[in-house]
Amino acid sequence: GAVVSQHPSRVICKSGTSVKIECRSLDFQATTMFWYRQFPKQSLMLMATSNEGSKATYEQGVEKDKFLINHASLTLSTLTVTSAHPEDSSFYICSALQRTSGEQYFGPGTRLTVT
Amino acid sequence: AQSVTQPDIHITVSEGASLELRCNYSYGATPYLFWYVQSPGQGLQLLLKYFSGDTLVQGIKGFEAEFKRSQSSFNLRKPSVHWSDAAEYFCAVVNSGYSTLTFGKGTMLLVSP
Repeated sequence: GAVVSQHPSRVICKSGTSVKIECRSLDFQATTMFWYRQFPKQSLMLMATSNEGSKATYEQGVEKDKFLINHASLTLSTLTVTSAHPEDSSFYICSALQRTSGEQYFGPGTRLTVT
Repeated sequence: AQSVTQPDIHITVSEGASLELRCNYSYGATPYLFWYVQSPGQGLQLLLKYFSGDTLVQGIKGFEAEFKRSQSSFNLRKPSVHWSDAAEYFCAVVNSGYSTLTFGKGTMLLVSP
């Protein structure tokens, strides 16, 4: 199956700093990628849809100025958590949509801890 | 709006016993349904999917699921559970256009010796 990578896998940052998370589709082009957030023992909540070459579409309640998404190429989307606070600590998972199969392939996730 | 319900938060099954994880969906049109598995601290792996055709679908790792339109269900089954199957399982439905997935809250499977 198709492979999606995320980097870093874990990151610890201080409150007030910004953190960038990368999501790459390694063996297919993805015009659409998705960013999810998962709290402990809970389900995945869609944060935003990342579209290559255009602005991301954010779900209701997600601050677009806090969670900056850039999808500059067909294989890379980035999520930047700006001015991070402890409540932003979470597990962030991306996925890439493979149009030919209609499937989303998920990255391994990034554990963000804000101290 | 579409929604997915997984009524069981936790299930414990003895190794070698059969397993059924429940999933009910609410969706206006013909749903596209998925089951994913997540090991601790990991991303999601697709077990199987239903788009159309045969309502009994086979997946990886010996899992299968049956789509029952009359019951709005897509339950996951496995005839004999292995200790390595212990993980969290998510049912999901996708809207038309193959875009956004809506996930259930997940069912944690524990396997006892």
